[in-house]
Amino acid sequence: GENVEQHPSTLSVQEGDSAVIKCTYSDSASNYFPWYKQELGKRPQLIIDIRSNVGEKKDQRIAVTLNKTAKHFSLHITETQPEDSAVYFCAARHTSGTYKYIFGTGTRLKVLA
Amino acid sequence: DSGVTQTPKHLITATGQRVTLRCSPRSGDLSVYWYQQSLDQGLQFLIQYYNGEERAKGNILERFSAQQFPDLHSELNLSSLELGDSALYFCASSPQGAETDTQYFGPGTRLTVL
Repeated sequence: GENVEQHPSTLSVQEGDSAVIKCTYSDSASNYFPWYKQELGKRPQLIIDIRSNVGEKKDQRIAVTLNKTAKHFSLHITETQPEDSAVYFCAARHTSGTYKYIFGTGTRLKVLA
Repeated sequence: DSGVTQTPKHLITATGQRVTLRCSPRSGDLSVYWYQQSLDQGLQFLIQYYNGEERAKGNILERFSAQQFPDLHSELNLSSLELGDSALYFCASSPQGAETDTQYFGPGTRLTVL
């Protein structure tokens, strides 16, 4: 069935370093890939997204890259800050027959001051 | 604030009971999604509605049902509750429910089944 694999499950980095989270999807027809940040007990918040006709998108310290051939996409956070600490979820819009989102299992990012 | 509202914020109930969670989408959004998030787990897609009609179904148990009303608000009904149903339930909305629509999440309802 359709799924999205996300790695790593936990990631600790020193403040100022970069963090990279990777996701792989199975449905080759997926064409929209959002990333969400979720702080403890709060709602997931969209931080960046990419559509399948684009290879890379950047928004200040956050960037997302997409490799359609390999069916994977990555989140890059540069110059990390303690407030970046949260759980990050990737998702892929599943389009084969239905229009549901498949989420990755999440990455708990800790930025150490 | 995403513009999506959910009530109640917290709900504590007993096994075997039935509860209703309510979601109001952002103004103008026609599509509503429901998700379940158990402790330290990812988001499990339950069901999607678009303009009152069911559009997609995920891992929703038969004990759970949902509907979207003419004013576009949605309700998720959970019956014969079990301890394992304790979770955060999120609602999200998007303009058209189309393939590349961005979803905006509500604050969630925390359900505790004792």
